[in-house]
Amino acid sequence: DIQMTQSPSSLSASVGDRVSITCQASQHISFYLSWYQVKPGKAPKVLISDASNLERGVSSRFSGSGSGTDFTLTINNIQPEDIATYFCHQYDNLPWTFGQGTKVEMK
Amino acid sequence: QVQLQESGPGLVKPAGTLSLTCNVSGGSISSSHWNWIRQTPGKALEWIGFIYYGGTTNYNPSLRSRATISIDTSKTQFSLRLTSVTTADTAVYYCARGYPSRNWGQGTLVTVSP
Repeated sequence: DIQMTQSPSSLSASVGDRVSITCQASQHISFYLSWYQVKPGKAPKVLISDASNLERGVSSRFSGSGSGTDFTLTINNIQPEDIATYFCHQYDNLPWTFGQGTKVEMK
Repeated sequence: QVQLQESGPGLVKPAGTLSLTCNVSGGSISSSHWNWIRQTPGKALEWIGFIYYGGTTNYNPSLRSRATISIDTSKTQFSLRLTSVTTADTAVYYCARGYPSRNWGQGTLVTVSP
């Protein structure tokens, strides 16, 4: 299985900050990586697919970068509604796997 | 907009069988990958498996052949069956569409307890 190492496990930010979450794959996955936002009691929401493609309807404050084994999700001008847990997900090799999640909180 | 909704018992006894159904509305079930994914109390996400509309399935080997996913196109729903459950199977179970998954249900909590 491909292991996805995500960091940090949690972070605290002030409104307007820029935050970055990284994800490292245990082997090359090309660009087959997506990022999800998960809020309690709500359906997970895909933010980024294919490493850097912003999904339709997602705020442009979110961006993704990387390829191969190292990937980054960046949130610019973070807002209170961005409080959530974020997961990376590789879909290059079965079984598909996820990072351990990053919980984002507001200061 | 495709919408998905999970349903099934919220409590299952150890050694029993967990059975969930995902009802699909607002779109055709006759295309795409239909997935089951779960989130354990420790908050990790685990892909359980998928069924492609033609009937092809693929499962996470970690479940050691306990999982079966089926599809009923006439009812626009697909189902998960997980046998020989233990407390480690307690989780929020999501159904999701796509590869990667762009449409998800809200999830349903299944607790395994005597």
